[in-house]
Amino acid sequence: DAKTTQPTSMDCAEGRAANLPCNHSTISGNEYVYWYRQIHSQGPQYIIHGLKNNETNEMASLIITEDRKSSTLILPHATLRDTAVYYCIVRVVRYNQGGKLIFGQGTELSVKP
Amino acid sequence: EAQVTQNPRYLITVTGKKLTVTCSQNMNHEYMSWYRQDPGLGLRQIYYSMNVEVTDKGDVPEGYKVSRKEKRNFPLILESPSPNQTSLYFCASSFSPLGGSNTIYFGEGSWLTVV
Repeated sequence: DAKTTQPTSMDCAEGRAANLPCNHSTISGNEYVYWYRQIHSQGPQYIIHGLKNNETNEMASLIITEDRKSSTLILPHATLRDTAVYYCIVRVVRYNQGGKLIFGQGTELSVKP
Repeated sequence: EAQVTQNPRYLITVTGKKLTVTCSQNMNHEYMSWYRQDPGLGLRQIYYSMNVEVTDKGDVPEGYKVSRKEKRNFPLILESPSPNQTSLYFCASSFSPLGGSNTIYFGEGSWLTVV
């Protein structure tokens, strides 16, 4: 199963862009990259996902390198409410794995005033 | 509103006393699963269900049972809870287990303490 590597923690100034990197060098061709975040101990919240192309939604942008071995989540204008643990996840899609999400340790993002 | 609902949210129980954590989703999702979250270990999948009457073990199934008699419900059963099952539990669901582009939604979590 593809694993992900993320920095343990990052700081970001309020109003600035937060760029969260993720390494997934063993990702397979049909596996998607997902980003979730968890605020305190609430349920993980979906942010964005992608396969090959860059993606953008109302929350964030996802930049995936051409070789798909790494990606970056961009929160364009971070606010204090974006302080959370951010998980970069490769979704396993083999039938006998049931679409499992493999969570790593995540990046603890602290947005500071 | 699309929801995954878990109950109870908080529970303290004693060793050996059977308990059930319920999970219900209102999105007509086929796929449901349970995770537990422990400090330093992250979230780990316990069991999953591809559809009604179809369940299988995840990475840490020991001490747990599940059932899927209806599409919307996926209860987690601890027949004889032990202190090492003290954890934060999350239920999750998605439209289909296949196809990587199906968003997985999580419930708000159930804090379980076994003393």
